Amino acid sequence: DSGVTQTPKHLITATGQRVTLRCSPRSGDLSVYWYQQSLDQGLQFLIQYYNGEERAKGNILERFSAQQFPDLHSELNLSSLELGDSALYFCASSVSGPYGYTFGSGTRLTVV
Amino acid sequence: AQTVTQSQPEMSVQEAETVTLSCTYDTSENNYYLFWYKQPPSRQMILVIRQEAYKQQNATENRFSVNFQKAAKSFSLKISDSQLGDTAMYFCAFIAPGAGSYQLTFGKGTKLSVIP
Repeated sequence: DSGVTQTPKHLITATGQRVTLRCSPRSGDLSVYWYQQSLDQGLQFLIQYYNGEERAKGNILERFSAQQFPDLHSELNLSSLELGDSALYFCASSVSGPYGYTFGSGTRLTVV
Repeated sequence: AQTVTQSQPEMSVQEAETVTLSCTYDTSENNYYLFWYKQPPSRQMILVIRQEAYKQQNATENRFSVNFQKAAKSFSLKISDSQLGDTAMYFCAFIAPGAGSYQLTFGKGTKLSVIP
């Protein structure tokens, strides 16, 4: 157990639907990062939150949004889902800086 | 743009032998950090080894070591005495915190198979 908890582990949904992925960071970690791993795009950074504030944005689609709550857990919202959104979505957390990065086990999203 | 290139999509090695995975990167930053991650079939991302760009000495972690060539922007991973449990995808990645974010930029990965 890495200490970073992602739920659900698997999600199957239809095109056009909306889903929410949840991440609880390791105790004490203030930063949460979201990554998407797909066959064609590889591992891509989506967005980072630090202590409730958005810190950096990567290749995140406008249909996707995220937030970090006061208890530091984070949610990634994916809407108007398309077949191409099928991927493994990882959350990672760190205290700060480049060290102590810990990944969750991911959420496998399948859009049918 | 910052990029990471892993030129070997797949590799195989006999158990107990040594294998080297290649990685090159491109960044205009002077301060950055390099990593190798392992992703076994369980899909968990596991940190194998890391290297700070300002350190000249190559990092070593047990059977894993790197050859860091800063001028050539090369960061290869050597696995000695390969074990069946080393079978996994290996991703080279770096962090260049120039903008205050510690996001990872990944290569496409190398699939390593250890053959008994």
